[in-house]
Amino acid sequence: NAGVTQTPKFQVLKTGQSMTLQCAQDMNHEYMSWYRQDPGMGLRLIHYSVGAGITDQGEVPNGYNVSRSTTEDFPLRLLSAAPSQTSVYFCASSIPGTGGYTFGSGTRLTVV
Amino acid sequence: RKEVEQDPGPFNVPEGATVAFNCTYSNSASQSFFWYRQDCRKEPKLLMSVYSSGNEDGRFTAQLNRASQYISLLIRDSKLSDSATYLCVVNFYTGTASKLTFGTGTRLQVTL
Repeated sequence: NAGVTQTPKFQVLKTGQSMTLQCAQDMNHEYMSWYRQDPGMGLRLIHYSVGAGITDQGEVPNGYNVSRSTTEDFPLRLLSAAPSQTSVYFCASSIPGTGGYTFGSGTRLTVV
Repeated sequence: RKEVEQDPGPFNVPEGATVAFNCTYSNSASQSFFWYRQDCRKEPKLLMSVYSSGNEDGRFTAQLNRASQYISLLIRDSKLSDSATYLCVVNFYTGTASKLTFGTGTRLQVTL
């Protein structure tokens, strides 16, 4: 049982480049979300999805896009990377209405 | 004011000590509460839910005071392996999605 799988684990981008962070879960969870974690800021919600075909913005959505074509996958796209997007990104999934999230192991992104 | 506030610590305690962390939240309509544990450079993992009547899981006891909007976590007989950051998490379910708000965490260091 893999849980939530994120790739890549580490990434360095140049300012202006785009990339997609991958997230897949095998628990048949309807709810998936992306967070970023910065020192002193806690985890902040970027985007979330309550099911295939449905996505919505979280607290800090600017500069990011998401899509949810299947229950399993929830990729996060950085459109034009900026140094302010240097962070650790976590994908999480859960059964709707519960707080028992399962997180992926994270992607450490550096934008130079 | 942050939605979820925690003392960042660090709390440095000897092995075998009892330590308590507190957390306050601002949204009185919050519906469920959790403690997550995050090890250095790892993803957060659910430690325990927090129920109104208080609940215990081995050496860990969680309490909720809705009137004061306050959550606590007590760890008895601390082990070296308890060293981690403890995240207070508050959930507000909108009917279609859960809005989890994370505190910035309290760091615990258990020493010999």
